[in-house]
Amino acid sequence: DAGVTQSPTHLIKTRGQQVTLRCSPKSGHDTVSWYQQALGQGPQFIFQYYEEEERQRGNFPDRFSGHQFPNYSSELNVNALLLGDSALYLCASSLVGGSTDTQYFGPGTRLTVL
Amino acid sequence: AQSVTQLGSHVSVSEGALVLLRCNYSSSVPPYLFWYVQYPNQGLQLLLKYTSAATLVKGINGFEAEFKKSETSFHLTKPSAHMSDAAEYFCAVTGPTGDMRFGAGTRLTVKP
Repeated sequence: DAGVTQSPTHLIKTRGQQVTLRCSPKSGHDTVSWYQQALGQGPQFIFQYYEEEERQRGNFPDRFSGHQFPNYSSELNVNALLLGDSALYLCASSLVGGSTDTQYFGPGTRLTVL
Repeated sequence: AQSVTQLGSHVSVSEGALVLLRCNYSSSVPPYLFWYVQYPNQGLQLLLKYTSAATLVKGINGFEAEFKKSETSFHLTKPSAHMSDAAEYFCAVTGPTGDMRFGAGTRLTVKP
């Protein structure tokens, strides 16, 4: 049983560019959440997708957008990249996304903005 | 809004010693609390979770945590540290739809 997978593993972009990160949830899971983890900090909640819609959003600007596909996989898009967007981006999947559900995390995508 | 605070960004113990990592929470509703571990260059792995069934929660790798409402705490302990326990540990609380709010993390170092 494959766990949560993310691609790419690493990515280098320059300021002002756009980036797309991808996530495939654990088999049987229908909810995907995205987190940003800056160096030396805890993960920060970006948003959560359920039934192909954004269900909840953290304190992130509109430059951060996402999508969920019918097969429950998800993309995170970041426009107009800033140096401060450099971070590890983590995807987590769960079933339904309730408050007691265990979220299973992928290995992350390391984004470096130069 | 729910939040957690981890006391101590770095904890160092000797191999075989007690591990105690501190977490305090703030929540206006009964909280659901989690401890995750992160090894270098990896994602987060669940150690244990509290969902109100029992105040003492046992997790993987010999870790356990006790929910204390009167102290608003959910500290993580392990009786005897092993070298392989060296990692970053995160306490988290979930909102109504499962959005997790993490603490800043505690880096555990285990000395031989």
